Amino acid sequence: GAGVSQSPSNKVTEKGKDVELRCDPISGHTALYWYRQRLGQGLEFLIYFQGNSAPDKSGLPSDRFSAERTGESVSTLTIQRTQQEDSAVYLCASSLFFPGNSPLHFGNGTRLTVT
Amino acid sequence: KNEVEQSPQNLTAQEGEFITINCSYSVGISALHWLQQHPGGGIVSLFMLSSGKKKHGRLIATINIQEKHSSLHITASHPRDSAVYICAVIWVGSQGNLIFGKGTKLSVKP
Repeated sequence: GAGVSQSPSNKVTEKGKDVELRCDPISGHTALYWYRQRLGQGLEFLIYFQGNSAPDKSGLPSDRFSAERTGESVSTLTIQRTQQEDSAVYLCASSLFFPGNSPLHFGNGTRLTVT
Repeated sequence: KNEVEQSPQNLTAQEGEFITINCSYSVGISALHWLQQHPGGGIVSLFMLSSGKKKHGRLIATINIQEKHSSLHITASHPRDSAVYICAVIWVGSQGNLIFGKGTKLSVKP
């Protein structure tokens, strides 16, 4: 079957605009993560969804960032009033169950550039 | 302070060499992942470990829970192994939040 799909693959936006990034996990995967990777830096956790439990939002850097997931399907990451420091690759990953018990599958990411 | 430490940060090897990348962490974990990120940016999961040793092709991953240490070995390295290798852990009691090391950049020369 298909892997984790992210869209758009690239997004250029003006400072102050809102953007919405989409992640389609592998069908049946209960766990879904959003990460951020700034140029030349490591992966930074943003948010984690596990089934119908309340998401772990502890990595969201500010209240301009929010994410939703409907059940075990698509997730959207929204960044409001974008700033230049938001420029990064935003990666989504999913796993069948709790990631302590099953491997992670990553999407190819959305490269966000804020001008 | 990053609680997952990888070494070395950068590694250059000649084709055919045996390579070891190390990962140390500070508290108890429920699982450890080794990931590979190619220059194009795509990330692939190599191994998920909670104990012992796993092997896939030329790659071997080991973990010592008591010593809070894991190693990734590559036998008969090849230029196509050139990538960033990332260690990530899930703390015991965590909801599932992964903590990442900063990665080891491997370059294998022909």
